[in-house]
Amino acid sequence: NAGVTQTPKFRILKIGQSMTLQCTQDMNHNYMYWYRQDPGMGLKLIYYSVGAGITDKGEVPNGYNVSRSTTEDFPLRLELAAPSQTSVYFCASIHAGQGTYNEQFFGPGTRLTVL
Amino acid sequence: QKEVEQDPGPLSVPEGAIVSLNCTYSNSAFQYFMWYRQYSRKGPELLMYTYSSGNKEDGRFTAQVDKSSKYISLFIRDSQPSDSATYLCAMIQGAQKLVFGQGTRLTINP
Repeated sequence: NAGVTQTPKFRILKIGQSMTLQCTQDMNHNYMYWYRQDPGMGLKLIYYSVGAGITDKGEVPNGYNVSRSTTEDFPLRLELAAPSQTSVYFCASIHAGQGTYNEQFFGPGTRLTVL
Repeated sequence: QKEVEQDPGPLSVPEGAIVSLNCTYSNSAFQYFMWYRQYSRKGPELLMYTYSSGNKEDGRFTAQVDKSSKYISLFIRDSQPSDSATYLCAMIQGAQKLVFGQGTRLTINP
């Protein structure tokens, strides 16, 4: 299994440009997440999905959009990029069951700079 | 007040020392408490998790949870240079969402 993969690894955007960060998992996990990590900080949840066709906002959703058309893929869309979106973006997934804990697996991250 | 507070450090100790990392939290509903290790330019990886109060040991690592004080700790015994990383505490909200502390940057000096 490749686990959680993210593309691209690095990207520089100009203010006002848009882009899509790709995330794919091959573990048949039902829940997927997008986090951002600013320098010297912990991770903050942007959006999450509990299954195909179901998404919901996290703590910091403004300026982002997501979709989940398949179990495997959970792309994150940035519209009108701003310098405040300069960050490292991590995708994660988990097979969530009722009343149990399962490890959340993280991708390697996408390092985004907006100039 | 942040839901999870963690001293960002940095913390620098000599090889072989015992390291103590801590977090406090405000939400008494948290039941699962995790410690993640993150090497530079990598994604977080789960080190340990604990359910409710108590201790859990895994090799040189011990996690403690005190729910009455809303305080969790991670102890590293016989610390090694390979333990140098950022350590993040995290707790679970609904839908398995993780709430992270700021992370403590740890350096073990040979």
